[in-house]
This record gives sequence, C-alpha cells and structure tokens, in this order.
Amino acid sequence: DIQMTQSPSSLSASLGERVSLTCRASQEISGYLSWLQQKPDGSIKRLIYAASTLDSGVPKRFSGSRSGSDYSLTIISLESEDFADYYCLQYASYPTFGGGTKLEIK
Amino acid sequence: EVQLQQSGAELVRPGALVKLSCKASGFNIKDYYMHWVKQRPLQGLEWIGWIDPKNGYIVYDPKFQGKANITTDTSSNTAYLQLSNLTSEDTAVYYCARWEISTVVPFDYWGQGTTLTVSS
Repeated sequence: DIQMTQSPSSLSASLGERVSLTCRASQEISGYLSWLQQKPDGSIKRLIYAASTLDSGVPKRFSGSRSGSDYSLTIISLESEDFADYYCLQYASYPTFGGGTKLEIK
Repeated sequence: EVQLQQSGAELVRPGALVKLSCKASGFNIKDYYMHWVKQRPLQGLEWIGWIDPKNGYIVYDPKFQGKANITTDTSSNTAYLQLSNLTSEDTAVYYCARWEISTVVPFDYWGQGTTLTVSS
C-alpha cells in the first residue's frame, strides 16, 4: 500500500489568512493525487485532481502543487466556508487517503 | 444533475448482515467504476473497493475481503455494499463515489454517506 502522510493534523487560522497543507507519499505517485474537503455535515467534495487541476466551480483561492513526493494544498485568504476537514487521496495505486487536516477558525 | 443518493441510517445487531444502497442519477453507472469508502467516528477515510458495473469485476482492499460484498443493479442504476458478520468495528459512515472508466480522474462525485451503527 502507498502510505500518505498528511500534515498538520489540525490547524487553527484566521479569516483572510493563507494556509498550506501537505501530503507526503511513501512511493512515487506521479501526480495522481486529489484533495478533498469534508464539511461538518459529512458531505465530501473534490477540490483538486492531478495534483494541481482545480475542479470546476472551486474558488481560485484554492491551489495544489507538487515538489518531489510532497503535495500541497494552499488556500489563500481563508473564508468562513473553508473551515472544514481536508484529505489528500492518491490514486496511482489502490486508493489511499491521508489522515486528514482539521482546519479550524482561530 | 449528477447525484448519488445513499440509503438511510442503519442500526443493526452484532453478527448481522446489512446492505447499503447508492442510487445514481444524472449519469449511467455503466460508464463509471463505483467505489465505497468507510469513515469511522472521528477518523479518516478508508477505501473498501470498487466494481465495474458493465462486467461485475470487483476489487477489494484486502482488509475488507470477506467482510464486504459490492454489487450493482444496472436496471435501477444503483450500487450496493453488503457487510456481513457485523461487529462494533463496522460502526462507521459509508460513502459511495464514482470514477469515470478510462480516465484518471477519480471520485468527482460522492454520496452523502450512510451511518451504520452496530450495537446490541
């Protein structure tokens, strides 16, 4: 199995702040990575696929990037609806998820 | 509009069997692999497995082999997840999600989740 190590596990930030979340893959995943957002009601939405491609309708304050085996999700200028849980997902092999980041309002 | 509508919450006894459903609308499930994902309370996401509704080919994560049985009914455009010999470890929210066949763009739509509680 490909392990995805996601950090931080929790993050407290203020409205308007910029934050970055990271996932490190235990093996090469060649950019086959998505970022998911889970709201408190449990609903899950894909934000990014192929490491950096923004899904249709996702605000441009979200972006994804890759540096070697590290994959990042950056949110510039946090808005209230961004406070949620975030997961990375690799799909180079059988899908595996990062452990999640809980983004809370400071 | 694409939707994956999952069945309602279940409370079942240990040792029992349960079958969860995921009814698709706005697309034909035969064009997609249908996946199931587990989320235990206050924990992360675990992939269970997927099915190709066109031919019934199924892949499970080894952890769920013998526990999960994924099926589809293409006439009703519905995917199912059956879980057997339930224990408290199966208490979780279960999600279905789709992955378009012949693409590398997975999980663009998710169901709303079904809460399963295993308790006597």
